[in-house]
Amino acid sequence: EVHLVESGGGLVQPGGSLRLSCAASGFTFSSSWMHWVRQAPGKGLVWVSHINSDGISTNYADSVKGRFTISRDNAKNTLYLQMNSLRAEDTAVYYCARDWTYGFGYWGQGTLVTVSS
Amino acid sequence: QSALTQPPSASGSPGQSVTISCTGTSSDVGGYNYVSWYQQHPGKAPKLMIYEVTNRPSGVPDRFSGSKSGNTASLTVSGLQAEDEADYYCSSYAGSKIWVFGGGTKLTVL
Repeated sequence: EVHLVESGGGLVQPGGSLRLSCAASGFTFSSSWMHWVRQAPGKGLVWVSHINSDGISTNYADSVKGRFTISRDNAKNTLYLQMNSLRAEDTAVYYCARDWTYGFGYWGQGTLVTVSS
Repeated sequence: QSALTQPPSASGSPGQSVTISCTGTSSDVGGYNYVSWYQQHPGKAPKLMIYEVTNRPSGVPDRFSGSKSGNTASLTVSGLQAEDEADYYCSSYAGSKIWVFGGGTKLTVL
């Protein structure tokens, strides 16, 4: 069974940094594209970032480009999202998701990031 | 990276059918057969319901179906049941390893 567990969320001040992790199990992580998707409180889903299976290719939404960095450790079956220069508008639940033919096939339970002073 | 357009709400009585639209452009919905749909109940993670426009993952009831015409994709839920009440989101691949979601539709079962 596919299992994705996010961690690392919390309260951070504007301008601060946070690193999210997503522990994967139940599938061949090293062969899978992965994504981060976020959802602000009471709002819709927004795609944030994608990484290919070997971590060489990464892509970002314009809203986070230059501030967020996606990475992965295939030996640890773990996906990461390094978030720098955080803004109030980055406040959201952050989900990791396994790609499924250019969709989001499996989702974690999410981790809440709150950016506030 | 503009969001796809969905109606904010939809509703139907038990047993009826309801269709939710998702309008994009020729750069996303119209340009690729990579439209997918997600169901999200309050406080829960989204769940994939349809992928590649028309395909249902294992375990998703065949009451859920997808289609596409031009720049607009649609999700139809037939034989509405109380448990279908949820938020529904569409997403589309937009090329260059970029993805976009719709704003979401709240489906109410009357």
